[in-house]
Amino acid sequence: AQSVTQPDIHITVSEGASLELRCNYSYGATPYLFWYVQSPGQGLQLLLKYFSGDTLVQGIKGFEAEFKRSQSSFNLRKPSVHWSDAAEYFCAVFLSFGAGTTVTVRA
Amino acid sequence: EAGVAQSPRYKIIEKRQSVAFWCNPISGHATLYWYQQILGQGPKLLIQFQNNGVVDDSQLPKDRFSAERLKGVDSTLKIQPAKLEDSAVYLCASSLVGGATADTQYFGPGTRLTVL
Repeated sequence: AQSVTQPDIHITVSEGASLELRCNYSYGATPYLFWYVQSPGQGLQLLLKYFSGDTLVQGIKGFEAEFKRSQSSFNLRKPSVHWSDAAEYFCAVFLSFGAGTTVTVRA
Repeated sequence: EAGVAQSPRYKIIEKRQSVAFWCNPISGHATLYWYQQILGQGPKLLIQFQNNGVVDDSQLPKDRFSAERLKGVDSTLKIQPAKLEDSAVYLCASSLVGGATADTQYFGPGTRLTVL
């Protein structure tokens, strides 16, 4: 069975600063990995996904994620955060989601 | 293209009552998913349909939850009788193919259920 751990429940970052959200997964073979964003009052939206090929994946809204098999990780990054990035972020392996990380952006 | 539609958006019931949620996926999408998202947690898959067949319902509490997708298009999720711990947002998603692929899921706005 697959599982996902997002170690950080809540992260606060200043606008313009970089952001990194951690995700660790448990799965025996090559996983299908996803990052989603959920803004208040809005549905879940896919940011990016990985299932093969280049381990650095580019997504929407300026996000990227790097798959590291040796560390069973798929961390999400953004070089410069905008106030509109305040939301909850979920990592998923196949159809199993982590508990999420809430991102607060301060001016 | 219209997105995934869900209704109602909000529902408040008392425990032991029954409730039903409706989902209309994106046109042409073969796979439909129902998730339960309890406050402070990530979505948990309840059931996955491919066309009108069930692919995975291993996490569906079958003593009280049921779901159907009779014509392979829209779907209904029912809870009977509801318990306090069923209070959650119920999300519906659809994907073009689904199954074991990395197919993109498109999520609806969800139905927020409160059980008193």
